[in-house]
Amino acid sequence: LAKTTQPISMDSYEGQEVNITCSHNNIATNDYITWYQQFPSQGPRFIIQGYKTKVTNEVASLFIPADRKSSTLSLPRVSLSDTAVYYCLVGDGSSNTGKLIFGQGTTLQVKP
Amino acid sequence: DADVTQTPRNRITKTGKRIMLECSQTKGHDRMYWYRQDPGLGLRLIYYSFDVKDINKGEISDGYSVSRQAQAKFSLSLESAIPNQTALYFCATRGRLVNTQYFGPGTRLTVL
Repeated sequence: LAKTTQPISMDSYEGQEVNITCSHNNIATNDYITWYQQFPSQGPRFIIQGYKTKVTNEVASLFIPADRKSSTLSLPRVSLSDTAVYYCLVGDGSSNTGKLIFGQGTTLQVKP
Repeated sequence: DADVTQTPRNRITKTGKRIMLECSQTKGHDRMYWYRQDPGLGLRLIYYSFDVKDINKGEISDGYSVSRQAQAKFSLSLESAIPNQTALYFCATRGRLVNTQYFGPGTRLTVL
């Protein structure tokens, strides 16, 4: 998996849009960008995945510029329940084990 | 109903005891994983299984064993529990999209 860099923490308020950016300068041609969310004492949960441009689902949007060296996870109108750690992973899934490597992630704190 | 379930959710045991953690999935995935999570260390892979007859050690398999009883069931055993095995344990299945895994709710194990 390619190395990724994310902010360690972010604060927001309820109702705001939150954008979390992940840098992955050495992303390879076959790599996909995948985001997970983890609440305290729960397992990571797949949120969204993309390869280029923009992807949107019921939870979030993922923006990927043309050079693919970064990506931005956008959470619209966050609520207190969106307080969690968000992980960015980059890879092509070709490792022998399929093991996922989670970095430190970004701890998002949503305040009332 | 949850797609990946783990039992028990919490367990306190004593040094030297044998412990089994169970995982079941209804997603129909072939690949299953056991991870442990410790504060500041992220997720570490203990064992993984590509199918019922294919079981492999991960990066920290010492002191652990597994059994893949069926496609849907993957159990983790601690033969003789020790205090540094106190951690949060997650079972996961591998999805069909690149780098997607579906995690169970976790088992919090405390070894006294």
